[in-house]
Order: sequence, then structure tokens, then C-alpha cells
Amino acid sequence: DAGVIQSPRHEVTEMGQEVTLRCKPISGHDYLFWYRQTMMRGLELLIYFNNNVPIDDSGMPEDRFSAKMPNASFSTLKIQPSEPRDSAVYFCASSSRTGFFGELFFGEGSRLTVL
Amino acid sequence: GQNIDQPTEMTATEGAIVQINCTYQTSGFNGLFWYQQHAGEAPTFLSYNVLDGLEEKGRFSSFLSRSKGYSYLLLKELQMKDSASYLCAVPANQAGTALIFGKGTTLSVSS
Repeated sequence: DAGVIQSPRHEVTEMGQEVTLRCKPISGHDYLFWYRQTMMRGLELLIYFNNNVPIDDSGMPEDRFSAKMPNASFSTLKIQPSEPRDSAVYFCASSSRTGFFGELFFGEGSRLTVL
Repeated sequence: GQNIDQPTEMTATEGAIVQINCTYQTSGFNGLFWYQQHAGEAPTFLSYNVLDGLEEKGRFSSFLSRSKGYSYLLLKELQMKDSASYLCAVPANQAGTALIFGKGTTLSVSS
């Protein structure tokens, strides 16, 4: 079975440009998470969805960030306009909740560099 | 809110035993998790504790004390491939669906 698929794997852009990161969760998983990882702040939860509905977006840093999940097999994280401090690795993860625990399965990540 | 503390770095030699500690504060509790992340790769699940005590899984064991807000990951018979970052995580809310991660402990294993 395919794991969580993210694209692009690497993105280099200039400040002010729009960035769109994409994620395909594992089929059948009903939770999808977006995380951001930097050396300084570690792995931060940005937003997560349950059955395509955003549940908690309190980790989204600013209005420049937005996320959507139009269907069960696709999600996007958009940054507009991008800034150098947005440079990080963005991970998407999915899980299928059974009982009170669901293992998170992470994608390979999208490494974003904003110049 | 949640607060998680782990040492930033640790070093050890092949064949040795290493213990990585994690202290946490959380408003609700529904388990403590350990994930492993090799450099340049995604985090992968290692273990989950919901009750006090030791959970053993091969060379890796994880311990939890809920009253002390303390956990550790014990790695035995260290191998070079165990060089990685080890992330402690707790649920972000009472529902326990999302996780909040510590900054991780980078373990370097030398020969």
C-alpha cells in the first residue's frame, strides 16, 4: 500500500511568491495533519482535518497560511505571500483512529526554501 | 497547554545502552509516544505508553510515570543505524488525535 505522498519534495522560491504544497493521505485514513519542522522550533502542528473538515488550525502562524482538503484523498497547504522565515520542511501525516490511539504516518516532506 | 523537554544531543558507542529522557506537562493525557527520525527522513512511530510502567519491544523499551510527567526511551545493544533523532510526543487535546512533539534528542552512535 502506498504511503503518504507529498509534492513537491523540494521547492525554492523568492520572497513574495505563492507556494502550494500537496498531500495525498493513505487511503482509508480519516485524519490528516500538516506539520512544519525547523531546527529552532522542532516539529510544529499547523492544522489537522477529520473527514475533510478542519478541526484545529490554531497552529497556523499567520493569515498568509491556508489549508484545504477538498476530498478524502487530497490536501493543500498554501503560503501567500511567502517569506524567508517560512523556510522549513513541511510534513503531511495521516492516521486512522482506532480506539484512543492512531499511529501517525508521515510523508517524506516538502523542503521549502524562500530566498 | 503542553510542554515537552528532552535533551538536545546524546552520544554513545556501539553495543552500549542509552536512556533518553522526556518530561512533559499536559492539560489532558491520553498517552505518550516516541518517534524516530533519521536525518533527512520522515518521523516513524516507535512506541506508545498509556499506562505507567515499561513497554518492551525488541531492543527498544519505553517507560512512563504519569504522576511524575516523565518518560524514557531505552535503547539496548546500540547499532550505528540507531543514530537518529528521537521525538517524544503527547496528545494535543483530550481527544488525543493530534500530537505535539518535543524538539527531539539527536543520538550519535560511534564505533
